[in-house]
Amino acid sequence: AQKVTQAQTEISVVEKEDVTLDCVYETRDTTYYLFWYKQPPSGELVFLIRRNSFDEQNEISGRYSWNFQKSTSSFNFTITASQVVDSAVYFCALSELYDSGTYKYIFGTGTRLKVLA
Amino acid sequence: GAGVSQSPSNKVTEKGKDVELRCDPISGHTALYWYRQSLGQGLEFLIYFQGNSAPDKSGLPSDRFSAERTGGSVSTLTIQRTQQEDSAVYLCASSPGAGAYNEQFFGPGTRLTVL
Repeated sequence: AQKVTQAQTEISVVEKEDVTLDCVYETRDTTYYLFWYKQPPSGELVFLIRRNSFDEQNEISGRYSWNFQKSTSSFNFTITASQVVDSAVYFCALSELYDSGTYKYIFGTGTRLKVLA
Repeated sequence: GAGVSQSPSNKVTEKGKDVELRCDPISGHTALYWYRQSLGQGLEFLIYFQGNSAPDKSGLPSDRFSAERTGGSVSTLTIQRTQQEDSAVYLCASSPGAGAYNEQFFGPGTRLTVL
């Protein structure tokens, strides 16, 4: 079963539009962490944000904001006033306790965002 | 400081040959991960090293794949008797520790093409 689902394979928007990238996760743990990473065309993934399961407060960082809702198991990412430089593949990830007692990362399949000038 | 480095950046090989991919993690990072990313696909977990613990090999797709990490630092991913379906970008990431809260720092990847 897919543990991290990013249903949007690709999204295209025109510059200055707002866009929301969806992420739905599945876990039985009460303690877990959620992450968003950005993979620009250059290829190197870059960490954007981390959120733990006990902190449902939304976060805003410049044009980026994140909406974490445990009731719907979602951790959505919104970019306001999008720019061409936002064009990238965005990955959502879940870190949960694995059988062996270690934590394991599970990545979604990513959403490719194209921002058109 | 230096980030995660990987070499080579590109590797073209013939079907049936063995290849070795190298990852230099960030100094002091105890956790190291290997992933495979096929064209347009997400990240497929391959193997995970944490300190001196036995690696988590649960993601290795076949016994042709193996990895080692020497001295808790540099890691090598080896693919024996390469097949065309092994063509992908192989990404390495390191992390300060094994805790759930640690973000991963990724290298630029090695693009492997098997002809």
